[in-house]
Amino acid sequence: AQSVSQHNHHVILSEAASLELGCNYSYGGTVNLFWYVQYPGQHLQLLLKYFSGDPLVKGIKGFEAEFIKSKFSFNLRKPSVQWSDTAEYFCAVSGNAGNMLTFGGGTRLMVKP
Amino acid sequence: DTGVSQDPRHKITKRGQNVTFRCDPISEHNRLYWYRQTLGQGPEFLTYFQNEAQLEKSRLLSDRFSAERPKGSFSTLEIQRTEQGDSAMYLCASSYTGDGYTFGSGTRLTVV
Repeated sequence: AQSVSQHNHHVILSEAASLELGCNYSYGGTVNLFWYVQYPGQHLQLLLKYFSGDPLVKGIKGFEAEFIKSKFSFNLRKPSVQWSDTAEYFCAVSGNAGNMLTFGGGTRLMVKP
Repeated sequence: DTGVSQDPRHKITKRGQNVTFRCDPISEHNRLYWYRQTLGQGPEFLTYFQNEAQLEKSRLLSDRFSAERPKGSFSTLEIQRTEQGDSAMYLCASSYTGDGYTFGSGTRLTVV
């Protein structure tokens, strides 16, 4: 069975600080990897996804993530956060067949102005 | 507007009552998924359809839960004899063969 671990449950940063959120997964086959963001009171929105190719993936709003297969990791990064990045961030994985998504427990990010 | 519509947005019901939720996916999407999310947790997979066929069900989906997608378009999720532990946000998502998943805003169920 696949599983996803997000080690940081809560992160507090000041504006302009750099961000890195950890994500590790466990899965026996080829994986597709995703980061979703959920702003307060809103639906889940896709930030970026990795299916194959360049392991450094760029997404919306200046976010990027790097797939490191040897470490089973897909960490999310942003060089300079803004107050508007305050949200909950979820890492997710699906098998190559594109069936169900398995989510991590989420990381709640608060950016102080 | 996400493109995936869920109705109702909120539902308060008494324990023991039956409830039904509806999801309208993006029209071109052949796959439809149901998830449940409780406070402070990531969404948990319940079930998914490819067109009208229900292909997978989680062990979380007890026999009180049933989902249908009769014509391969909208889907319904019914919970019979609701319990307080069923209180959660029920999310629907759709995709075209797993190539990216679009989520709806969810139905928040409160069982009192």
